[in-house]
Amino acid sequence: AQSVTQLGSHVSVSEGALVLLRCNYSSSVPPYLFWYVQYPNQGLQLLLKYTSAATLVKGINGFEAEFKKSETSFHLTKPSAHMSDAAEYFCAVAGGSYIPTFGRGTSLIVHP
Amino acid sequence: NAGVMQNPRHLVRRRGQEARLRCSPMKGHSHVYWYRQLPEEGLKFMVYLQKENIIDESGMPKERFSAEFPKEGPSILRIQQVVRGDSAAYFCASSPPGTGWDGDTEAFFGQGTRLTVV
Repeated sequence: AQSVTQLGSHVSVSEGALVLLRCNYSSSVPPYLFWYVQYPNQGLQLLLKYTSAATLVKGINGFEAEFKKSETSFHLTKPSAHMSDAAEYFCAVAGGSYIPTFGRGTSLIVHP
Repeated sequence: NAGVMQNPRHLVRRRGQEARLRCSPMKGHSHVYWYRQLPEEGLKFMVYLQKENIIDESGMPKERFSAEFPKEGPSILRIQQVVRGDSAAYFCASSPPGTGWDGDTEAFFGQGTRLTVV
């Protein structure tokens, strides 16, 4: 069984501020973990993924995420938010079936 | 992800009609996954298909929904006798042969079909 919990349906930050989007997962086997971004009326685009190599994963657009097994977390961060980062972000976990289960999503709002 | 083509982008159906959603995977991809996104919810897995085979349909509603991925042509998600609760965005993703999301390769998403039942 696998599941994902994204804490906070909306996160609001100022441009230039740190972005932190939280994700906790549950998996009965060592998981693969993913972060996707969805812009309005678009499909999902992969930001980054964890596949049991380095625990700190760097992705596109300056995002990174750290796998913490002890905390069952995979939080997404970016040091400095840009207006173009405003979008919906989804965390996903793939366990034994390798078909990901997605969280409910977090809407990132960036204020000028 | 622009390589996965879904059509139509928007589809309006009256209650009781049939909806057909099409997904053409990226060139060279033989695995297709369908997901449904309801308002304020994440993506819910529906079905995983390979050419001419349904591999996992554990997320498909037992009635009115069916999916196929023929040897030639796009994958089709078919919803019969639609109801208002079927209104959602339906996404498909595709991946290369022999793998899915398991590590070395990436599955790519289409832009979705937004179904509205009136």
